Amino acid sequence: GDSVTQTEGLVTLTEGLPVMLNCTYQTIYSNPFLFWYVQHLNESPRLLLKSFTDNKRTEHQGFHATLHKSSSSFHLQKSSAQLSDSALYYCALSDRGNTNTGKLTFGDGTVLTVKP
Amino acid sequence: DPKIIQKPKYLVAVTGSEKILICEQYLGHNAMYWYRQSAKKPLEFMFSYSYQKLMDNQTASSRFQPQSSKKNHLDLQITALKPDDSATYFCASSQDGGALAETLYFGSGTRLTVL
Repeated sequence: GDSVTQTEGLVTLTEGLPVMLNCTYQTIYSNPFLFWYVQHLNESPRLLLKSFTDNKRTEHQGFHATLHKSSSSFHLQKSSAQLSDSALYYCALSDRGNTNTGKLTFGDGTVLTVKP
Repeated sequence: DPKIIQKPKYLVAVTGSEKILICEQYLGHNAMYWYRQSAKKPLEFMFSYSYQKLMDNQTASSRFQPQSSKKNHLDLQITALKPDDSATYFCASSQDGGALAETLYFGSGTRLTVL
């Protein structure tokens, strides 16, 4: 079945430093859709950005990610971390196999903590 | 105003009892879902419904039964509760459920604790 791997469970950064959260995936289908969801403390997850186009950069709210099918990756980046970026970040996958079910496969999540 | 309402926000139950988690969405969406978030398995897909029809069930146990009385309702009945069922249960919705790139909108969750 599908799987999503987020290698870091916890990332701690100083404000102003760049952010990079890793995401790789496995699927037998050749046209996956990748998502990043963010969940702030005591809130529900919400979409941060999504992509299905190979090698095209997607940006939203200062974050960006590029889907690389050759390496099955969709890493999340930001040039300068802000205190308000502290949250739990989930990478998620949808593929043609789940077209009729709407199922998203989520990674284990990465907790990002930004310190002053 | 929240567009996906989950009730109750917190729920404490005893082992062996039965509870119903309520979810209503006012986004006009046709697809609804249940996800579970626990310390052991963050954001795990449970069920999906599209136009009130069950599309996918990834829950091994029949103790979990979704109930859709209206297009914008998807309740979750859990019977014979176990301590391992303790988790936050998120209801979510999307426009149709059949498209690859649909955005999921999550409710605020019901935090269930089974003693």
